[in-house]
Amino acid sequence: QKEVEQNSGPLSVPEGAIASLNCTYSDRVSQSFFWYRQYSGKSPELIMSIYSNGDKEDGRFTAQLNKASQYVSLLIRDSQPSDSATYLCAVNAGNTPLVFGKGTRLSVIA
Amino acid sequence: NAGVTQTPKFRILKIGQSMTLQCTQDMNHNYMYWYRQDPGMGLKLIYYSVGAGITDKGEVPNGYNVSRSTTEDFPLRLELAAPSQTSVYFCASSYSVFDRNSPLHFGNGTRLTVT
Repeated sequence: QKEVEQNSGPLSVPEGAIASLNCTYSDRVSQSFFWYRQYSGKSPELIMSIYSNGDKEDGRFTAQLNKASQYVSLLIRDSQPSDSATYLCAVNAGNTPLVFGKGTRLSVIA
Repeated sequence: NAGVTQTPKFRILKIGQSMTLQCTQDMNHNYMYWYRQDPGMGLKLIYYSVGAGITDKGEVPNGYNVSRSTTEDFPLRLELAAPSQTSVYFCASSYSVFDRNSPLHFGNGTRLTVT
């Protein structure tokens, strides 16, 4: 059973701070890693993907991947109240559908 | 471009009733999926399809059935609804699972309550 683990939170950060969201996965053959954002009552939307070890930056978002430790993280710089949402980590091994974690609820306090 | 369209948006069923959740995509995607999301939980895969005429079970298929007669449509059938099937159901599609640049496109979800 492939598992993706996330701290459910809530993670509370002040406006302007860095939010750090973490995810671990059990399947060592996993190849692709995704972060989805889900606002309350809405469907998930893709915000970042990462495939290689290291960092990948996109605006205020940075995804970090360490395959040896089976760990992927998402950093949100200069957090805004509009970033308040649940962040879902998703993993796939290349030929199977995505496996999602339970999500981390982020609350950015103005 | 409509993307992935799910109907209905909301539904209340009595225990033992049956219903079909409709899902249509207009992006010519080969892959389609049904996920369910319980409160405070992530998405769990119910069924998926890699193309017309081909379906496969996901993590939680019991109590559900699917069919894929066309590329566009992937309905989810609930037989003998049970309270444990109260959830939000998301249909999604993608061009491929092999293509890293092929993200999931989600519908807006169907909120189902079984009482």
